[in-house]
Amino acid sequence: AQSVTQPDIHITVSEGASLELRCNYSYGATPYLFWYVQSPGQGLQLLLKYFSGDTLVQGIKGFEAEFKRSQSSFNLRKPSVHWSDAAEYFCAVVQPSGNTPLVFGKGTRLSVIA
Amino acid sequence: EAGVTQFPSHSVIEKGQTVTLRCDPISGHDNLYWYRRVMGKEIKFLLHFVKESKQDESGMPNNRFLAERTGGTYSTLKVQPAELEDSGVYFCASSLGLAINEQFFGPGTRLTVL
Repeated sequence: AQSVTQPDIHITVSEGASLELRCNYSYGATPYLFWYVQSPGQGLQLLLKYFSGDTLVQGIKGFEAEFKRSQSSFNLRKPSVHWSDAAEYFCAVVQPSGNTPLVFGKGTRLSVIA
Repeated sequence: EAGVTQFPSHSVIEKGQTVTLRCDPISGHDNLYWYRRVMGKEIKFLLHFVKESKQDESGMPNNRFLAERTGGTYSTLKVQPAELEDSGVYFCASSLGLAINEQFFGPGTRLTVL
């Protein structure tokens, strides 16, 4: 069965510092990959997605992610974190056929300190 | 355009009681999904509607959970009778069409069973 691993439950970074959130997946074939963010009181918002093509994808709010097939990874990065980025981040995968449910990781909570 | 809405935002009930959660998807979205996040765990799929039909209900935990989507618009998820392990955040998401499309999430309903 497919699974998604986000090894970091909680990360704290200083405002202005760079950020990398890790995501590894286990799947028979290359799935479609997503990063979602949930701010307090809000629903999950899509940051970016990878279906095929260029393995470095750009998303909203200055985020990017790189797909590495050899490592089954899809890590999320941001060069300079803002206090408003404090939220919970979820990596998710879906099989590349039809409208099937997302499989999520456990999430990484990001705290930003001054 | 209004997003996915869910009602109530919070519900606290006693074990054995009944609770009904409601989700209003984005207008025109045929696909409607229910997910659940139990504290400390990943967001897990419950079921998927295409219009008013249940496409996949493989994630429903047991027969105490009943989901409906009459008329293919809003959906309800009833838990009867509620058990302690049903506590968590219930998310609803909707998407367009048959191809892989972004799932838009609601803010979730936090259910606490005492």
